[in-house]
Amino acid sequence: DGGITQSPKYLFRKEGQNVTLSCEQNLNHDAMYWYRQDPGQGLRLIYYSQIVNDFQKGDIAEGYSVSREKKESFPLTVTSAQKNPTAFYLCASSNPTGVGGNTIYFGEGSWLTVV
Amino acid sequence: GENVEQHPSTLSVQEGDSAVIKCTYSDSASNYFPWYKQELGKRPQLIIDIRSNVGEKKDQRIAVTLNKTAKHFSLHITETQPEDSAVYFCAADLGEGSTLGRLYFGRGTQLTVWP
Repeated sequence: DGGITQSPKYLFRKEGQNVTLSCEQNLNHDAMYWYRQDPGQGLRLIYYSQIVNDFQKGDIAEGYSVSREKKESFPLTVTSAQKNPTAFYLCASSNPTGVGGNTIYFGEGSWLTVV
Repeated sequence: GENVEQHPSTLSVQEGDSAVIKCTYSDSASNYFPWYKQELGKRPQLIIDIRSNVGEKKDQRIAVTLNKTAKHFSLHITETQPEDSAVYFCAADLGEGSTLGRLYFGRGTQLTVWP
């Protein structure tokens, strides 16, 4: 788990501003993910990437954007189009095998508050 | 896609009692079922997982059972302790194609163990 670094841990944003959350992993994992967590909502997938230069929308991609230019990096931008961005954001990574399973490891998370 | 239902949403037990959390899934192709524990303000951490070719797995006080016919799996914690208090998430993985590596999470169970 210590191989996934998210920054910043706490971030305050004014309405109408874009903000980018950083996620770096040194686990040599192919796949990376962004989840959003709200109280009582569990973990909801925003975007995921199975390989460099490729990514797919998850269940709640509207108002978010990502890039995957390097294997170890998967930044998430929360745009002004996201209506309720205040949440706990979790980055994760894994090495999917296609045979028998896929253990996902999470970063420490980033708390975003819109003021 | 996959749909994972988790029950109960909250569970309170006395220290030393057992706790059981149940999950159902919709896609019979799912073949990997991890359980994560998340303490307040921290990241989810894998506590146990089970693959589709196994019906039960145990690790000290924690066990997971899988019924592929009925499409449900359960987490069992015996001799609960106050430090078991946390939110527990179940998940399922289809393990193939464009969804390779993607976990579908339940909504979580808040377990409270009273001393």
